[in-house]
Amino acid sequence: DAGVTQSPTHLIKTRGQQVTLRCSPKSGHDTVSWYQQALGQGPQFIFQYYEEEERQRGNFPDRFSGHQFPNYSSELNVNALLLGDSALYLCASSPHQGAKQPQHFGDGTRLSIL
Amino acid sequence: SQQGEEDPQALSIQEGENATMNCSYKTSINNLQWYRQNSGRGLVHLILIRSNEREKHSGRLRVTLDTSKKSSSLLITASRAADTASYFCAPAMDSSYKLIFGSGTRLLVRP
Repeated sequence: DAGVTQSPTHLIKTRGQQVTLRCSPKSGHDTVSWYQQALGQGPQFIFQYYEEEERQRGNFPDRFSGHQFPNYSSELNVNALLLGDSALYLCASSPHQGAKQPQHFGDGTRLSIL
Repeated sequence: SQQGEEDPQALSIQEGENATMNCSYKTSINNLQWYRQNSGRGLVHLILIRSNEREKHSGRLRVTLDTSKKSSSLLITASRAADTASYFCAPAMDSSYKLIFGSGTRLLVRP
């Protein structure tokens, strides 16, 4: 039973570029959340998707957008990349929306902005 | 906010010793979750304790919750080098969509 898978594992971009990160949730899970984790900090919530809709958004600018597909997989898009966007991007899935279920995390995508 | 604050920020112990880390929060919650993160990896869920529970065990892990003090503790008994990781707590409301993490406790278990 595959857990949460994310791709790519590492990515290097330059300022101003755009990036798309991908996530496949754990089998049986229909809810996907995205988190940004800067070095030495805890993960910060970006947004959660359920039934192909964004259910809640954290304190991130509109440059961060997402999508959920009918098979529950999800993409995170970041436009006009800034140096401060360098971080580990984590995807988490759960069987239902909300925070009452444990979240299952992937190993993340390490994004470096030059 | 429901953000948890972990204490201490860093903890270094000898293999075989017990490790205790604490979490404080400020608002009412329905549950509190503990996660572990090995370097460069994703978070792994350890234990979820509900607000009507006072203590929960899982293997060498023991979690307590005191809602009157708005605090929780995670005890790892007989620690191993493999327990070296960062540990995060996430107090949560069932109605909330997100988990809010603090900066975590960095545990180093020396062989």
